[in-house]
Amino acid sequence: QKEVEQNSGPLSVPEGAIASLNCTYSDRVSQSFFWYRQYSGKSPELIMSIYSNGDKEDGRFTAQLNKASQYVSLLIRDSQPSDSATYLCAVKYSGAGSYQLTFGKGTKLSVIP
Amino acid sequence: GAVVSQHPSRVICKSGTSVKIECRSLDFQATTMFWYRQFPKKSLMLMATSNEGSKATYEQGVEKDKFLINHASLTLSTLTVTSAHPEDSSFYICSAGQGPETQYFGPGTRLLVL
Repeated sequence: QKEVEQNSGPLSVPEGAIASLNCTYSDRVSQSFFWYRQYSGKSPELIMSIYSNGDKEDGRFTAQLNKASQYVSLLIRDSQPSDSATYLCAVKYSGAGSYQLTFGKGTKLSVIP
Repeated sequence: GAVVSQHPSRVICKSGTSVKIECRSLDFQATTMFWYRQFPKKSLMLMATSNEGSKATYEQGVEKDKFLINHASLTLSTLTVTSAHPEDSSFYICSAGQGPETQYFGPGTRLLVL
């Protein structure tokens, strides 16, 4: 069974610090990885996608992928209270239908002012 | 990013009635749309994959006769909750596939069955 694992948290960081969110997946041949942010009572919003090993930066967000370790992470620099949300890791497994993603259960992030 | 809309955003209905939820991709065509359900403080649960012009593919444990899905065009998929009961009260979210395997989510529909 394909799985995406995340620490449910909550992860608390002070404002201005770096928040590090981690995710592991079970299928070694997966090629597409996504991070979504979900505010309470709202639907998920795409933050980052990453397809190859290494780092991908977009503003304060950096996604890191290590396929050998089956590990993907999201770093949030200069964390703000508005970053407080649940962050969902999603993986497209090989053999899955077009666009079909497997989601982790999410990590709740709390940024303390 | 691509825009996906849902209607209604919130609905309250009596037990035993049916409720239809629409999901539209506003600025792109989506051959594949997904329907999720999320209970409070729980993770997303994929209910079914909706394919334009063909039958939906339901996840294990989801009753296809209770949750009717129609994907009649490349921009519209509907989910009908038939004979709704209080245990069907949940947050229903659709998403549509666009670009390199990316899913974009609609704003969700909150259903309350009395």
